[in-house]
Amino acid sequence: DGGITQSPKYLFRKEGQNVTLSCEQNLNHDAMYWYRQDPGQGLRLIYYSQIVNDFQKGDIAEGYSVSREKKESFPLTVTSAQKNPTAFYLCASSIVAVPGNEQFFGPGTRLTVL
Amino acid sequence: AQRVTQPEKLLSVFKGAPVELKCNYSYSGSPELFWYVQYSRQRLQLLLRHISRESIKGFTADLNKGETSFHLKKPFAQEEDSAMYYCALQMSGGSNYKLTFGKGTLLTVNP
Repeated sequence: DGGITQSPKYLFRKEGQNVTLSCEQNLNHDAMYWYRQDPGQGLRLIYYSQIVNDFQKGDIAEGYSVSREKKESFPLTVTSAQKNPTAFYLCASSIVAVPGNEQFFGPGTRLTVL
Repeated sequence: AQRVTQPEKLLSVFKGAPVELKCNYSYSGSPELFWYVQYSRQRLQLLLRHISRESIKGFTADLNKGETSFHLKKPFAQEEDSAMYYCALQMSGGSNYKLTFGKGTLLTVNP
């Protein structure tokens, strides 16, 4: 494995607190993505970025925010506005502008709100 | 909007039996389709994509545009095939390469 790292592996948060999940890649990929994985729900796209300093909302962006100041980094902030933040979060990256391009996934961060 | 449906949450077969994981999609354009797999304690990874027309670990998948399906098949299942399988769709054209995933099928291959 390698290529995409996520930290921390486990994260605990009190209600009302914001928390930031880290995602770094050394694959020189232009595009990066954040997904939320819940049992029985599959993967749902939160945010994605195809280039530095640009990002778009995915299907479930409410209560989340991101930044893309560097090509290799795409941190996700889970804000207190997210009503059900306890979940497994996956970061991914891919080469842009290639049809059928593969997404490479990180190991994930499990967030638990206490 | 595009949608991917995997009708079986759970699928259990015996070793050596054929296995088929179903995937149906709805999309008005011509999609790119993928199967991703997540083995226990491992990262989600690409298994195969229809554009490559390849067979990986004995698995194949054929895109049937008439039935809007991309079912994953293997003639003889192995215990190491036990995993969560996700079908995913990528819209064609433009610069939007994000994926839409199905809810997944957990395959268990019994000895």
